[in-house]
Amino acid sequence: IAGITQAPTSQILAAGRRMTLRCTQDMRHNAMYWYRQDLGLGLRLIHYSNTAGTTGKGEVPDGYSVSRANTDDFPLTLASAVPSQTSVYFCASRDREADTQYFGPGTRLTVL
Amino acid sequence: AQSVTQLGSHVSVSEGALVLLRCNYSSSVPPYLFWYVQYPNQGLQLLLKYTSAATLVKGINGFEAEFKKSETSFHLTKPSAHMSDAAEYFCAAILTGGGNKLTFGTGTQLKVEL
Repeated sequence: IAGITQAPTSQILAAGRRMTLRCTQDMRHNAMYWYRQDLGLGLRLIHYSNTAGTTGKGEVPDGYSVSRANTDDFPLTLASAVPSQTSVYFCASRDREADTQYFGPGTRLTVL
Repeated sequence: AQSVTQLGSHVSVSEGALVLLRCNYSSSVPPYLFWYVQYPNQGLQLLLKYTSAATLVKGINGFEAEFKKSETSFHLTKPSAHMSDAAEYFCAAILTGGGNKLTFGTGTQLKVEL
């Protein structure tokens, strides 16, 4: 693989259920990010990680958690999904030398 | 508060016409600026970026953007629109004090008509 992969591509989830969105990159970038995209709001940062073993909160972190056990993987967990978490979720990683973020293809999540 | 503003959530142009998508930033220090494009059901793809070198930046697919400090703007242009340019375009910035995190505008949907 080359770049960033996300899984699943889409998911319909019952409210109250736990869900983990997966993100893997093979570019050995230290920094990774999770965004949600909502109509009229653009992309908003949920959580980020500057390097393996560290994480930080973004603009809209409530209801979400992340972990960064290694460089390649950055899963996003919804502990108890609510309908307002219906969105398209994008994972990104940052090329430090180019100072540019690269995005995965996204996960479309619907919470009913 | 520092922010990125895109004027016009929807822009419609005729094929062959000039494309102009507007982006303004609010920051005391000129930030790094980016334009991303998103085609339907896909992720974001980098079009071009400004990182304090040349103020006129050329990107992929014939797009370019000019950084104007006096106007705090970074508008995206293309001389002649093509049907394949129809997509959503996002302006983003690394703002002062934001670490390396991107702040996005709300996006502009570009429609290209025959």
